[in-house]
Amino acid sequence: ETGVTQSPTHLIKTRGQQVTLRCSSQSGHNTVSWYQQALGQGPQFIFQYYREEENGRGNFPPRFSGLQFPNYSSELNVNALELDDSALYLCASSSLDREGTEAFFGQGTRLTVV
Amino acid sequence: AQKVTQAQTEISVVEKEDVTLDCVYETRDTTYYLFWYKQPPSGELVFLIRRNSFDEQNEISGRYSWNFQKSTSSFNFTITASQVVDSAVYFCALTPHGGSNYKLTFGKGTLLTVNP
Repeated sequence: ETGVTQSPTHLIKTRGQQVTLRCSSQSGHNTVSWYQQALGQGPQFIFQYYREEENGRGNFPPRFSGLQFPNYSSELNVNALELDDSALYLCASSSLDREGTEAFFGQGTRLTVV
Repeated sequence: AQKVTQAQTEISVVEKEDVTLDCVYETRDTTYYLFWYKQPPSGELVFLIRRNSFDEQNEISGRYSWNFQKSTSSFNFTITASQVVDSAVYFCALTPHGGSNYKLTFGKGTLLTVNP
C-alpha cells in the first residue's frame, strides 16, 4: 500500500452540482498532483500543489480548483459539473524536493455525473 | 509538448508466455524521466519502474525487464513467464527532468489479459 488515501471512493452527482474530493499524501511528501482518467484513457494532469501553492496546471477550466493544507493533504473541487466530468480522479503524492522521485497514487475516486 | 504512445491497446496471452509492451515517446526536453505503472481493476496506479534519460542500461527485476533505447525514443517492458496476476492495464509515462513542475504525461495504456 502507498499510504495515499482518497475519499470518497465512489460518488454520484447531478449535472450542475459541485463536488469536493479529498486526498491524503504519503508521509514525507509535500506535493500532490491530481489527474482525471476517463474510461479507456490514460490519466490527464489537472494541477499540482507544492507546499500549499498551485504549481502547474493542465488544460482544465477554472471550475476545477484545489487546495493543499499545512499537512499536505489536498482537495479537488469541481463546480458546475458536466456529464463529461464523469471519470476516475486520481491523486498522486510525491516530493519536488527530491527530484525524480516516483509519484505514489491513491486508489482514486470514481465520479459519475448524471 | 510531450507525448507518449502505446500502440497496443489490448494484448491477450496464455500463462507462461513472454509478453512485451511497447512505449514510444516524444519530448523536446534533453533530460527526462520515464515510468511504467500498473493499474489493476481496483484502480490504483502501482509504480513499477523509473528510468532517468541519462541511463540507458536495461534493467531486470524478477520476471520484469525494461529496454530503454534513446535513439528510437522507446521504453519497452517485457514480462517473462506471465501469470494471471499480471492481468492489468499498463501505462508508460514521461516527465521532464528538473524544473519546478512534476507533471506525468501518460500513454493511453495497454490492457494485458493473461489467461490460465
